Amino acid sequence: AQKITQTQPGMFVQEKEAVTLDCTYDTSDPSYGLFWYKQPSSGEMIFLIYQGSYDQQNATEGRYSLNFQKARKSANLVISASQLGDSAMYFCAMDSTGNQFYFGTGTSLTVIP
Amino acid sequence: NAGVMQNPRHLVRRRGQEARLRCSPVKGHSHVYWYRQLPEEGLKFMVYLQKENIIDESGMPKERFSAEFPKEGPSILRIQQVVRGDSAAYFCASSPISRYNSPLHFGNGTRLTVT
Repeated sequence: AQKITQTQPGMFVQEKEAVTLDCTYDTSDPSYGLFWYKQPSSGEMIFLIYQGSYDQQNATEGRYSLNFQKARKSANLVISASQLGDSAMYFCAMDSTGNQFYFGTGTSLTVIP
Repeated sequence: NAGVMQNPRHLVRRRGQEARLRCSPVKGHSHVYWYRQLPEEGLKFMVYLQKENIIDESGMPKERFSAEFPKEGPSILRIQQVVRGDSAAYFCASSPISRYNSPLHFGNGTRLTVT
C-alpha cells in the first residue's frame, strides 16, 4: 500500500534562511512520482515541484528543491532564502500506477521576520 | 487560460439538507478528480471520473455521496442529508487524457460547513 509520512507538524524558520521539510514514502511500485504542494491560509492548493522515481537529478524550481533519496524513500523539500510569504501548510504527495494521489498530513511552516 | 473552477467557494447547509458542489475542469480536460480535506488533515481521494463515466469511486462514502461528470456541463459532487462530519474542504482537479506522473492542478476548493 502507498503511504506518505510527514513527521513535522510545525516548523519555524528565520526570514532569509533555508528550511527542509521532511517527507518519507512507501510504495511497492517501481514507477512513481513525488509532489509538493503549498496551501496558504486562503486555502488553495498550489503545486510547487515534482520528482519522478527514475529522474537522475534532484528537481529544482526557483527557491524550491527536492532532496530525493530513493534508497531511503525520502523526498524532502528544501526552501532557500525563506520569505514571509512562504508561511503556509506544505503537503507531500505521491502518485503511482493507480488513479489516486496520496497526501501526507502536512507541515505548517512559519517564517519569522 | 482558466484553471479549474469550483463553486461555490463557501457553502453552508443545515443538517439534513443537500449540498451540490460544482467543478468546471480546464477546457479540454476530460478527467476529473474529487478530494476531501478534513480539518488539520491532508487531502483524501474520493472519486475519479471521465466524461459520463465513474472510473474509480473507492474513496467515496457508500451512502449519501454521489458524483457525476456529464457530457455537457460541470462535474457535480452531491451530498444528500448532510451531517456535521461532512464539514470539510472539497477540492476538484482535472487532467487531460494522459496524467500519469504529472501534477494535479486543483481548483480553489469549496468549503462546506454543516450547522
